[in-house]
Amino acid sequence: EAGVAQSPRYKIIEKRQSVAFWCNPISGHATLYWYQQILGQGPKLLIQFQNNGVVDDSQLPKDRFSAERLKGVDSTLKIQPAKLEDSAVYLCASSVAWGPHQPGTEAFFGQGTRLTVV
Amino acid sequence: LAKTTQPISMDSYEGQEVNITCSHNNIATNDYITWYQQFPSQGPRFIIQGYKTKVTNEVASLFIPADRKSSTLSLPRVSLSDTAVYYCLVGATGGFKTIFGAGTRLFVKA
Repeated sequence: EAGVAQSPRYKIIEKRQSVAFWCNPISGHATLYWYQQILGQGPKLLIQFQNNGVVDDSQLPKDRFSAERLKGVDSTLKIQPAKLEDSAVYLCASSVAWGPHQPGTEAFFGQGTRLTVV
Repeated sequence: LAKTTQPISMDSYEGQEVNITCSHNNIATNDYITWYQQFPSQGPRFIIQGYKTKVTNEVASLFIPADRKSSTLSLPRVSLSDTAVYYCLVGATGGFKTIFGAGTRLFVKA
């Protein structure tokens, strides 16, 4: 079974530039997540999609971050304009379903995109 | 949302059993306990999930006492390749405002 695919693996940009990350989840997974992981910290959820609808984006800095999942499959995360503090690994994950009463809804993560803002 | 507390780091030797305990005093009735493993330059990987008592799979065991205010991940006979960060999560798996703490850095020595 193919895993979660992300691209690019690495990206270096200057502050105030824009950048986009792409994610292809595991086939059949309705739920897709974007996480931000700063060096030395655990991943922080930015946004969660169920099919092509947003379930939770409360921790997404909406003044500069945006995400979409137009056809309920692939997703893109964009940062515009980037700041130095956006340097992190951006992880995409997917799961069959989600919810507090659904055991086995573990998330499968991609390898992430390491972003460096200089 | 239930907050979790884990040791920052642990050392072990190859072949030993490692137990990592996680405290989650304000766990809700409907919350599950999930553990993930993360190697450098990789995304986290699901290890095990449980609700109460004991759960075992091919990789680890998860012990949860009756009050569910803590849980212990047990890794039998660790090897060098088990060196990683281990995260304890409480709530719905993989989303629903999942909160990853700083995790426990396990270092297995030869």
